Amino acid sequence: AQSVSQHNHHVILSEAASLELGCNYSYGGTVNLFWYVQYPGQHLQLLLKYFSGDPLVKGIKGFEAEFIKSKFSFNLRKPSVQWSDTAEYFCAALPYSGAGSYQLTFGKGTKLSVIP
Amino acid sequence: GAVVSQHPSWVICKSGTSVKIECRSLDFQATTMFWYRQFPKQSLMLMATSNEGSKATYEQGVEKDKFLINHASLTLSTLTVTSAHPEDSSFYICSASRTGGSEAFFGQGTRLTVV
Repeated sequence: AQSVSQHNHHVILSEAASLELGCNYSYGGTVNLFWYVQYPGQHLQLLLKYFSGDPLVKGIKGFEAEFIKSKFSFNLRKPSVQWSDTAEYFCAALPYSGAGSYQLTFGKGTKLSVIP
Repeated sequence: GAVVSQHPSWVICKSGTSVKIECRSLDFQATTMFWYRQFPKQSLMLMATSNEGSKATYEQGVEKDKFLINHASLTLSTLTVTSAHPEDSSFYICSASRTGGSEAFFGQGTRLTVV
């Protein structure tokens, strides 16, 4: 069965520090990859997604992620975090089926706390 | 962007009662909606896929008689937790995608507490 692993449960950083959150998936075929963010008390929101093409994907709010197929990884990065980035971050994977369905497998999430 | 509204945001109910959670796509039509459940410090787990006009498809281990799903229209799916017990206390989230679309939009979630 497909699974998504996020390496860190809780990351604490000071403002302006660089961020990298790890994500690995287990699926041998074509896969679409996503990072979602959930700010306290708010909906899950899409940060960025990878379907094909350039493996370096840029998302909203200065986030980017790099798809490394050989490592089955899709790590999320931001050069300089802000206090407002405090949230929970979820990596998700979707095997490409072309059937129009949309069943995501989520990682357990990483809570990011940014200290002012 | 597209908006998915989930109601209620939180609910407390007594053991043995039933609770209905609504998921609405406000500005788009969604042939398919998905229901997830999240336990504390764990991942979102897909419970079932809700298809408009037909029976829902449940994931392995999810009791279809306990978690009733009705997708009556292209903009509304409901999840009813029947005869709720304290172990059903959890965070329930729905998502929907536009017909033929490639992005999922999530509701704000419903925190259910059964006492």
